[in-house]
Amino acid sequence: DQQVKQNSPSLSVQEGRISILNCDYTNSMFDYFLWYKKYPAEGPTFLISISSIKDKNEDGRFTVFLNKSAKHLSLHIVPSQPGDSAVYFCAANGGYGGNTPLVFGKGTRLSVIA
Amino acid sequence: EPEVTQTPSHQVTQMGQEVILRCVPISNHLYFYWYRQILGQKVEFLVSFYNNEISEKSEIFDDQFSVERPDGSNFTLKIRSTKLEDSAMYFCASSVQGARQPQHFGDGTRLSIL
Repeated sequence: DQQVKQNSPSLSVQEGRISILNCDYTNSMFDYFLWYKKYPAEGPTFLISISSIKDKNEDGRFTVFLNKSAKHLSLHIVPSQPGDSAVYFCAANGGYGGNTPLVFGKGTRLSVIA
Repeated sequence: EPEVTQTPSHQVTQMGQEVILRCVPISNHLYFYWYRQILGQKVEFLVSFYNNEISEKSEIFDDQFSVERPDGSNFTLKIRSTKLEDSAMYFCASSVQGARQPQHFGDGTRLSIL
């Protein structure tokens, strides 16, 4: 039951270029979407989020786009840097209640080549 | 920047033994969570905790598992009689409030059951 899907297990990008990571979801109750970055031997680090009332949120080099009709979100990193090399997880939650669980995708390993 | 801290970083335990994983959430956060990630698999929700009681739990969180907030700072996960399949990374997370707020993760405890 993959409610959150990241179909690309890996992505390789040249330094300075744009990285685009994609995520699809199936649960219509999701109304809050997050991207986490994870280095080996560390926990997921929160990067950026977007609420379903918006279609874009930007924070420095990171922009998240949400297409609710397609149930699709993407993370753009511009320009990509070698330090961005990590596993990126898409996550979502929603519905009523104060602390609904996050549902994670399997992750995409990003490699930024200098 | 405040962070979630987890101890120990690695725990090795014989099958059938009890294990307690410890977490110190971010101090002004009110919602607490445990997730786990079995090697090669997704990060999965175990349990959420608010106002000194469990808010939600997954099917994984059976009678072998329990959580406690014994004082004002610690949040613990106990596995009463460990099984081989409990081997995983266990992540603690916390959030200021539940809805539409990011959950912040610790670096995890690697639990190895022999």
